[in-house]
Amino acid sequence: AQKITQTQPGMFVQEKEAVTLDCTYDTSDPSYGLFWYKQPSSGEMIFLIYQGSYDQQNATEGRYSLNFQKARKSANLVISASQLGDSAMYFCAMREGLGLGANNLFFGTGTRLTVIP
Amino acid sequence: EAGVTQFPSHSVIEKGQTVTLRCDPISGHDNLYWYRRVMGKEIKFLLHFVKESKQDESGMPNNRFLAERTGGTYSTLKVQPAELEDSGVYFCASSQDPPITADGYTFGSGTRLTVV
Repeated sequence: AQKITQTQPGMFVQEKEAVTLDCTYDTSDPSYGLFWYKQPSSGEMIFLIYQGSYDQQNATEGRYSLNFQKARKSANLVISASQLGDSAMYFCAMREGLGLGANNLFFGTGTRLTVIP
Repeated sequence: EAGVTQFPSHSVIEKGQTVTLRCDPISGHDNLYWYRRVMGKEIKFLLHFVKESKQDESGMPNNRFLAERTGGTYSTLKVQPAELEDSGVYFCASSQDPPITADGYTFGSGTRLTVV
């Protein structure tokens, strides 16, 4: 079964508007971490935001926030005040376990966001 | 601090040829990971090194793929012989153990491999 599901292959948003990118996850491990990465056309993977499974509050980093709904196993990324430079692929990822023995990441298929001027 | 560096950035080879991808992690990062993204699909884990040892190679697709990390520094991923379905973008990432900050995984820019 897919551990990370991103159901939106592509999204469009008007500049300065907010957009939500969906991500659901599947794990039986009570300890996990959720990540969002941005991949612009240049190819590098840029870390955006992280949410730990025991974090009580939703993570925020500048214009990025993570809408963490643990019971629904969703970790949607919200980008506020979209900018043209936000156009990129966005990947949701999960790491199972939070201790030593740094585990690998499971990724979704990505969502291509296009910001329209 | 230098980031994770991958060589080459692009490679086009014919089916049946051999290709070697290289990854230089961040200095001091014991953990090194290889991932692959086939067009339109998710980024999939290939394997994980801790220093020079293979911690987890469960994602390696078949024995045409050979990864090494001599001396626990840089790593190579060799595909021999390459097949059409090996085309994709190969990412390398490194981290400390454990990733002590939320952004503890650092990715390279990837190698785009095209097998024709």
